[in-house]
Amino acid sequence: EIVLTQSPATLSLSPGERATLSCRASQSVTNYLAWYQQKPGQAPRLLIYDASNRATGIPAKFSGSGSGTDFTLTISSLEPEDFAVYYCQQRSTWPLTFGQGTRLEI
Amino acid sequence: EVQLVESGGGLVQPGGSLRLSCAASGFTFSNYAMSWVRQAPGKGLEWVSTISGSGDWTNYADSVKGRFTISRDNSKNTLYLQMDSLRAGDTAVHYCAQIGGYGSPPGSWGLGTLVTVSS
Repeated sequence: EIVLTQSPATLSLSPGERATLSCRASQSVTNYLAWYQQKPGQAPRLLIYDASNRATGIPAKFSGSGSGTDFTLTISSLEPEDFAVYYCQQRSTWPLTFGQGTRLEI
Repeated sequence: EVQLVESGGGLVQPGGSLRLSCAASGFTFSNYAMSWVRQAPGKGLEWVSTISGSGDWTNYADSVKGRFTISRDNSKNTLYLQMDSLRAGDTAVHYCAQIGGYGSPPGSWGLGTLVTVSS
């Protein structure tokens, strides 16, 4: 099973700042890595797929990078609605797995 | 617009059964692998099962293998999850989602349906 480790567990920033979230895989997932945003009481929403492709309707302030085992989600100039929990997920190998999440808080 | 609407959740006793459904619209259902993902209260996301677009291929998490069965009816644009021998540890919001597998890309999620296993 591929284990995805997200860091940090909690990230405390202010509106207007830049957020950098990390996801490290225990073995290569090539570029089959997605990022999701989940707000309290809501379903997850796809932000990035295949490491660096923004999903439909996702603003350009969200960007993804990386390949192999190390991936990064960057959110430029945080807005109040960006404070949420972010998960990474790999679809390279069964079983599909998620990271434990990074909580982005004000 | 893609819509995924789950139904069938509720309260069930340990050892009982439940069948979840997910009605899909806004895309060509048979072209996409579909999955169930669950989230226990206050916890992270856990993949449960995935079925290929044709329905010929399925895969399960070890935690549910032998107890849960995923299926789909492409003529009705509906995904199912038959849940048997339910345990307290299965208590979670269950989401119908496009998270990849079998060559399909990730995409949309439903709002989820809550399954509570308790006596």
